[in-house]
Amino acid sequence: DVKVTQSSRYLVKRTGEKVFLECVQDMDHENMFWYRQDPGLGLRLIYFSYDVKMKEKGDIPEGYSVSREKKERFSLILESASTNQTSMYLCASSPRDTEAFFGQGTRLTVV
Amino acid sequence: AQTVTQSQPEMSVQEAETVTLSCTYDTSESNYYLFWYKQPPSRQMILVIRQEAYKQQNATENRFSVNFQKAAKSFSLKISDSQLGDTAMYFCAFMNGNNNDMRFGAGTRLTVKP
Repeated sequence: DVKVTQSSRYLVKRTGEKVFLECVQDMDHENMFWYRQDPGLGLRLIYFSYDVKMKEKGDIPEGYSVSREKKERFSLILESASTNQTSMYLCASSPRDTEAFFGQGTRLTVV
Repeated sequence: AQTVTQSQPEMSVQEAETVTLSCTYDTSESNYYLFWYKQPPSRQMILVIRQEAYKQQNATENRFSVNFQKAAKSFSLKISDSQLGDTAMYFCAFMNGNNNDMRFGAGTRLTVKP
C-alpha cells in the first residue's frame, strides 16, 4: 500500500513562529503536493513539486515556501505564522499522470 | 490555471436510491485527467474513480459511475444503491496532463439517510 505520512496530526503554534510541516511518501512518486482545506473552499493548492528541487506555485503560495531535497520528502514552511493560516493542511503524492494519494492531514492552529 | 466548480454544497439521498453529483471544469488543455475523491468524516481522502480525457467511455467502479461530457467540460458522479457508508465530502479534481498540476473543487457534502 502507498503510504503518505505527515509528521503531525495536530499542531498549535504562536503567531510569528516559523513552522515546518513534513510529508514523506514511500512509493518513489514523482509528484508531491501541499493543499490547504477550509470549509466551503475545498482544497486549494499551495505548491506542488514534480521532481527533486523543482517546485511550482499553486493558487495561494503567499506566506508559504516549500523544500524538496529528496524525492520522498516534501516540506511546507510557514515563514512567519499568522492566525489566518489556521487550517487543515493535506499532503499528497502521485506517480506521473495518475491519481494522488493523501496523507492523514495536519490540523494547524495559530494562536 | 484550471478551475473546478462543484455547484452543490450539500446533498442528501435515501439509502438504496441513486444520486448524481455535478462537476464542471475550465481548461484549454487537451491532455488531462479527472478524478472523484471521497473524504469520510474525520478520515483520509481516498480515490473513488478516475477518467482519462482521451477515453470516450465513461469510467465505472461498482456502484460508482461518471458521465464525462468533454465538449461541455462536465464530469458528474453517479452513486447507485446508496449506502450509509457513502456519507462523506466528495471532491472533483482535475490534473493537467502536461505538468500534473492538480486542482480541486469546493466539494459536495453528501448525506445518506436511512
